[in-house]
Amino acid sequence: QKEVEQNSGPLSVPEGAIASLNCTYSDRVSQSFFWYRQYSGKSPELIMSIYSNGDKEDGRFTAQLNKASQYVSLLIRDSQPSDSATYLCAALSWGGGADGLTFGKGTHLIIQP
Amino acid sequence: EPEVTQTPSHQVTQMGQEVILRCVPISNHLYFYWYRQILGQKVEFLVSFYNNEISEKSEIFDDQFSVERPDGSNFTLKIRSTKLEDSAMYFCASSEGPLTGAGTEAFFGQGTRLTVV
Repeated sequence: QKEVEQNSGPLSVPEGAIASLNCTYSDRVSQSFFWYRQYSGKSPELIMSIYSNGDKEDGRFTAQLNKASQYVSLLIRDSQPSDSATYLCAALSWGGGADGLTFGKGTHLIIQP
Repeated sequence: EPEVTQTPSHQVTQMGQEVILRCVPISNHLYFYWYRQILGQKVEFLVSFYNNEISEKSEIFDDQFSVERPDGSNFTLKIRSTKLEDSAMYFCASSEGPLTGAGTEAFFGQGTRLTVV
């Protein structure tokens, strides 16, 4: 059974610092990975997706994937109070159809002004 | 900006009753999904739907659940006989293509909070 594991936190980071969020997954078949942000009581919102080993940067966000270690991370540079939210890691195994995402429980991030 | 819309935002129902949760996916999207999130827990995949049929379903999606695309715009989730443990936030999502494609994103609706009493 696929599992995606995250430290639930809370992770407290000072404003302007780098926030580092980590995720591990159990299923070696997983091929695509996604980071979602979820504010309390709201729906998940996609931050980044990553498919290949290495780093992928988009603005203040960098996703890192290491398939050998089954590890995904998200770095948020210049953290802002508005980044305070729960960050969900999700994995996808390609089954050829409309595959569903397997989510972790999320890491609660608090950016301290 | 196009968005996935869900109605109602909050539904309260008595145990044993049938409920239908409604979703209008983004108009040019072809792949549709239902997820649920029990309070304080992780988002869980229920079912995906493509080309007018179920593509994949999880263990949660048992015979009490069904999905339907009754017309060209709506996508519904029916729970036949609700149980207390069905209380959760239910999210509908849609995507233009399969999520395996680079740049393909699943857009989530704002959710329907189902409370079974």
